[in-house]
Amino acid sequence: AQSVTQPDIHITVSEGASLELRCNYSYGATPYLFWYVQSPGQGLQLLLKYFSGDTLVQGIKGFEAEFKRSQSSFNLRKPSVHWSDAAEYFCAVGASGTYKYIFGTGTRLKVLA
Amino acid sequence: SQTIHQWPATLVQPVGSPLSLECTVEGTSNPNLYWYRQAAGRGLQLLFYSVGIGQISSEVPQNLSASRPQDRQFILSSKKLLLSDSGFYLCAWSIGTGGSNQPQHFGDGTRLSIL
Repeated sequence: AQSVTQPDIHITVSEGASLELRCNYSYGATPYLFWYVQSPGQGLQLLLKYFSGDTLVQGIKGFEAEFKRSQSSFNLRKPSVHWSDAAEYFCAVGASGTYKYIFGTGTRLKVLA
Repeated sequence: SQTIHQWPATLVQPVGSPLSLECTVEGTSNPNLYWYRQAAGRGLQLLFYSVGIGQISSEVPQNLSASRPQDRQFILSSKKLLLSDSGFYLCAWSIGTGGSNQPQHFGDGTRLSIL
């Protein structure tokens, strides 16, 4: 069965530090992968997506993610975190041949001033 | 550009009362529409999705139902709310001509509290 795992429930980083949020997926074919960000009490905003091609994907707000097939991972990175990046981050995979998406349980990011 | 509207933003209802949450999309035709429920620490649970008017797929059997009376309108309903229906409800849309290779776009959600 397809699944998405975000191993870190909470992550705390200092402002200006680098960030990496982990995402592992279980899927037989090449997956469609997404990262979303959610601020408290709001909906999810798309940060970036991967379908095929270049395995390093650039997104909005200075985020990037790298698809590694051998590790079944799609980790989200940012070189320098800003206080406004504090939010919850969700990794998702689109199930090929369907209209459905599978979401991870999210990673809550706290940024220290 | 496309926009999605979801209302109300907050709702407090007594147990056993009915429910109607509405979601509309503007700026696109024949979108795929989705209802999710989000519980703290548990990610997003897909409740219903629709790929066309009058077509509803249910993912989780429960006392909720969904309807799509118009192309860009998606309604989540219940005849009698349970305490367990409390949560944050999110509506989303994606391009209708694509499958799950298209990203979803979310509304701002409805916080539902059952007393």
